[in-house]
Amino acid sequence: ELKVEQNPLFLSMQEGKNYTIYCNYSTTSDRLYWYRQDPGKSLESLFVLLSNGAVKQEGRLMASLDTKARLSTLHITAAVHDLSATYFCAVVKETSGSRLTFGEGTQLTVNP
Amino acid sequence: NAGVMQNPRHLVRRRGQEARLRCSPMKGHSHVYWYRQLPEEGLKFMVYLQKENIIDESGMPKERFSAEFPKEGPSILRIQQVVRGDSAAYFCASSPGHWETQYFGPGTRLLVL
Repeated sequence: ELKVEQNPLFLSMQEGKNYTIYCNYSTTSDRLYWYRQDPGKSLESLFVLLSNGAVKQEGRLMASLDTKARLSTLHITAAVHDLSATYFCAVVKETSGSRLTFGEGTQLTVNP
Repeated sequence: NAGVMQNPRHLVRRRGQEARLRCSPMKGHSHVYWYRQLPEEGLKFMVYLQKENIIDESGMPKERFSAEFPKEGPSILRIQQVVRGDSAAYFCASSPGHWETQYFGPGTRLLVL
């Protein structure tokens, strides 16, 4: 059974600081997604990572994938308050069809 | 181009009643997924449908829950005889095809009293 674990689950950081969220998954997978969720809202797709060594960047967020280590990271550079949200990684395994298996989520709070 | 639409956004039911949740996928998307999010938890897959077909219902409880995606109209997730443990946010997602990025709707927050 595919399991996805994120850490930390809660992250409180100061504006301007850098930090990394980690996403580990238990078996080989074929795609990895990062989503953002604001309180009471839906999920917004941030990145999709398809292959080993893939790196994608959008603004202050950068995601990478190491399929050998079964690890993805979401790096936050010079955090700002607007980045406060819950971030989920989700994995798709072809043999499991199209369903996404989600991590528990990392609740990020950026303090002024 | 409207995104994934869900209604109602909030639904209150008493124990034993039925809940019907509707999802209209994005234009051009024929694949629909339902996920459930319990408070303070991640999303859990329930069911994957294409028009008139259930492709994967391995995440859906065997009792009381059913889903459909008819040829015309929205996808419906139906929960019969609701219990308090059914209280959760139910998200629908759609994609244009198998294996493509899923786009999520705003969710239906179900509260069972």
